[in-house]
Amino acid sequence: GAGVSQSPRYKVAKRGQDVALRCDPISGHVSLFWYQQALGQGPEFLTYFQNEAQLDKSGLPSDRFFAERPEGSVSTLKIQRTQQEDSAVYLCASSLDGPSYNEQFFGPGTRLTVL
Amino acid sequence: DQQVKQNSPSLSVQEGRISILNCDYTNSMFDYFLWYKKYPAEGPTFLISISSIKDKNEDGRFTVFLNKSAKHLSLHIVPSQPGDSAVYFCAASGSNFGNEKLTFGTGTRLTIIP
Repeated sequence: GAGVSQSPRYKVAKRGQDVALRCDPISGHVSLFWYQQALGQGPEFLTYFQNEAQLDKSGLPSDRFFAERPEGSVSTLKIQRTQQEDSAVYLCASSLDGPSYNEQFFGPGTRLTVL
Repeated sequence: DQQVKQNSPSLSVQEGRISILNCDYTNSMFDYFLWYKKYPAEGPTFLISISSIKDKNEDGRFTVFLNKSAKHLSLHIVPSQPGDSAVYFCAASGSNFGNEKLTFGTGTRLTIIP
């Protein structure tokens, strides 16, 4: 498909486990974003990549959260030693760069449940 | 501190009537505003946007109005259709460049009654 894909769609982890969430952006999209959406809330920014460079990680809630995009396409969000408060939907979005390209295309998200 | 606020968690509208969804923001540096629509188990999909240099943008049944002095925007859907039932998120950013993060409101669940 031509859209943003994410895997897995659902992940259940025991508290203390490490998880890795994958995002495949739209081909050719330079910008890639990760957002966290808690239940009943809007998406909240976590981090931003321009190609392979992580230019903004100001939204990452703790040093247990780590993201990478080594070849400027696929990105992985890793959460170490998961806690119950990490339970949320993690959304990936991609966009073109430059003016008038602010529309971000979102993937379906990964729903993480930490028990 | 919620920089983008949607004070109505839910709204029900009769099919064929107008739906009006409201959004307020506090950060005067926001320069670009977007509305996203979200169905269950799917990611948000872009609906319509407006730059701060405009006060209105129209796309088919959807119109967004911006009142910059009041830091308020609204989305009008007319006529409302059953397929419009979804959660609508207002979002804002510092520019219309593709490298700008979005700040979202908490969403309004719109239900269209047939």
